[in-house]
This record gives sequence, C-alpha cells and structure tokens, in this order.
Amino acid sequence: KAGVTQTPRYLIKTRGQQVTLSCSPISGHRSVSWYQQTPGQGLQFLFEYFSETQRNKGNFPGRFSGRQFSNSRSEMNVSTLELGDSALYLCASSGQSSTDTQYFGPGTRLTVL
Amino acid sequence: AQSVSQHNHHVILSEAASLELGCNYSYGGTVNLFWYVQYPGQHLQLLLKYFSGDPLVKGIKGFEAEFIKSKFSFNLRKPSVQWSDTAEYFCAVNAPPPGSARQLTFGSGTQLTVLP
Repeated sequence: KAGVTQTPRYLIKTRGQQVTLSCSPISGHRSVSWYQQTPGQGLQFLFEYFSETQRNKGNFPGRFSGRQFSNSRSEMNVSTLELGDSALYLCASSGQSSTDTQYFGPGTRLTVL
Repeated sequence: AQSVSQHNHHVILSEAASLELGCNYSYGGTVNLFWYVQYPGQHLQLLLKYFSGDPLVKGIKGFEAEFIKSKFSFNLRKPSVQWSDTAEYFCAVNAPPPGSARQLTFGSGTQLTVLP
C-alpha cells in the first residue's frame, strides 16, 4: 500500500507570492490533516478535512486555507507569503474511525525569501 | 488551550542504557495520547498510542509508555536502547472537545542520540 505522498517536496518562493501544496492520502483514507513544523514553534495543527469538509482549524491566519477533493486528495494554499511561513508542511491521513492511526507524509519544505 | 511538555530537549545515552522520556499534558478530561518518532531523513511514524484500557501501552521496537492520569503524564520507556534508536521523539495529545481526535497537539520533541 502506497504511503502518503506530498508534492512538491521542496519549494522556494518570495514574499508576497502564494503557494499551493498537495497531499495524496493512503488509498481508502478519507481524513487529511495538515501541520506546520518549524524549529521555533514545533509541530502545529493547521486544519483537518474529512469527506471534503473542513472539520477543524488551528490558530493560523486566514492566509492559510485548504480544500479536499472527492478522491480525498487535499491541497493547502498560503497567500501573501511571509518570511515566517518558511517551514516543513506535513500532511497526515487516517481512516474513518477516530482511533485510526494518522500516517504522515514526507512533507513539503517551503522556503520564503 | 491544550499544551504538551517534553522537558528533555536532548538526551544522550550509550547503547544498552535504559531510556525514559518525559511527557506531561495539561487537559484534565479524557485524552488520547501518542508517541511519534522521526528517524533522520524519514517520516514521522507512530510508536504507540493510548486511548483507553491498560495504562501500560506497548509499541513497536520494544518501546512502551505508561499513562498516569493523576500526574497528567505519558512517559516513554525502553529498557535497552540501540544505536538505531537515534531519532527525535514527539509526544502528542488530541484536542479536547469540540476538537477532533485527529487534531493533535505536539510537544517540542526530544532528540535522542545513542552512542555506539
């Protein structure tokens, strides 16, 4: 079974630009969560999608948004990039049950110059 | 807001030494608790999880953790570490209601270095 895949793996953008990151969950998983990992703040929850609906959102500004498609693939978008958005963005997928394990992808390393 | 504390930022041990990594959380209600590991260059992966039942949880690679509700703790243990256990270890807890069980709050992580 293929794991969680994230594209692209690395991205360099400049301040003010926008970026879209993609996550393909494990086949059959309908829940996708996104996390931001930085040296200073650690791992922080961004949002969770289940069956195309956002179920929860972390404490991030409205510049951070996401969506999920009918095939469970998810995208997150960051508009008007700031230097502080430089981070590793991780996606995790899990099955329908709340007790199912979350499987993490390798992440997208975003650098904002 | 929920918080998770990992007091040891960097632990250095020799092979065969015993390991205990501390984790404390703040929420007083029902919690689900997790330990994740990130080996160099690899994805975050689940070591073990606690939802209910026996407070002593066994995970992969010989790791175990004990949930002590009265101490708000979920410490990770391994009786004898190996060089291959060198990694960063993260404790996590789910968000309290109305948050989702999948909304995890992570500790800041503990870097474990095992010397051969």
